[in-house]
Amino acid sequence: DAGVIQSPRHEVTEMGQEVTLRCKPISGHDYLFWYRQTMMRGLELLIYFNNNVPIDDSGMPEDRFSAKMPNASFSTLKIQPSEPRDSAVYFCASSPGTGGTYNSPLHFGNGTRLTVT
Amino acid sequence: LAKTTQPISMDSYEGQEVNITCSHNNIATNDYITWYQQFPSQGPRFIIQGYKTKVTNEVASLFIPADRKSSTLSLPRVSLSDTAVYYCLVGVDRGSTLGRLYFGRGTQLTVWP
Repeated sequence: DAGVIQSPRHEVTEMGQEVTLRCKPISGHDYLFWYRQTMMRGLELLIYFNNNVPIDDSGMPEDRFSAKMPNASFSTLKIQPSEPRDSAVYFCASSPGTGGTYNSPLHFGNGTRLTVT
Repeated sequence: LAKTTQPISMDSYEGQEVNITCSHNNIATNDYITWYQQFPSQGPRFIIQGYKTKVTNEVASLFIPADRKSSTLSLPRVSLSDTAVYYCLVGVDRGSTLGRLYFGRGTQLTVWP
């Protein structure tokens, strides 16, 4: 199994541009999570999906952020327009469960490092 | 939310045993305790999970007292490659109401030669 695959690994863009981050979860995992990590705030949950349906998006910072999961093997996180304060590492994770129940740990990708200038 | 509290940083030398303790006073009856490890430029990686007493795998041991308000991750004979951030999480999944996992800031473990 290739694990969770994220692309791109690095993204540098200018303020005001649209940014799209991509994630392919592990096959068979029903849950998909998007996290953001910064030095100041640590690892924060942005949104998670169950069977392609968004369950909790209360962590999405503002309307500039949107996430979709059109099918079980693909998800996107879009920022439009991007701002310098969005600079962070964005992780996608998948799990057979919510990650807190028995035997359903989160499997993380290696992240996308976003820099907005 | 069952938040957790752990030391910000710890130092150790190669070959020593390292114990990282996490407090989770608000843990619920159905919550499991899970630990993750994160290396620079990588996503967190699952290490171990437990509910009560002691759990051991090839990487670490997890000790959980009877009241479950804390847990201790034990890494035997650490090496330089164990230098990483370690996160303690408590699951907040309760029946039909799915919750949110709280990673916190984790513990930066630095192993010295």
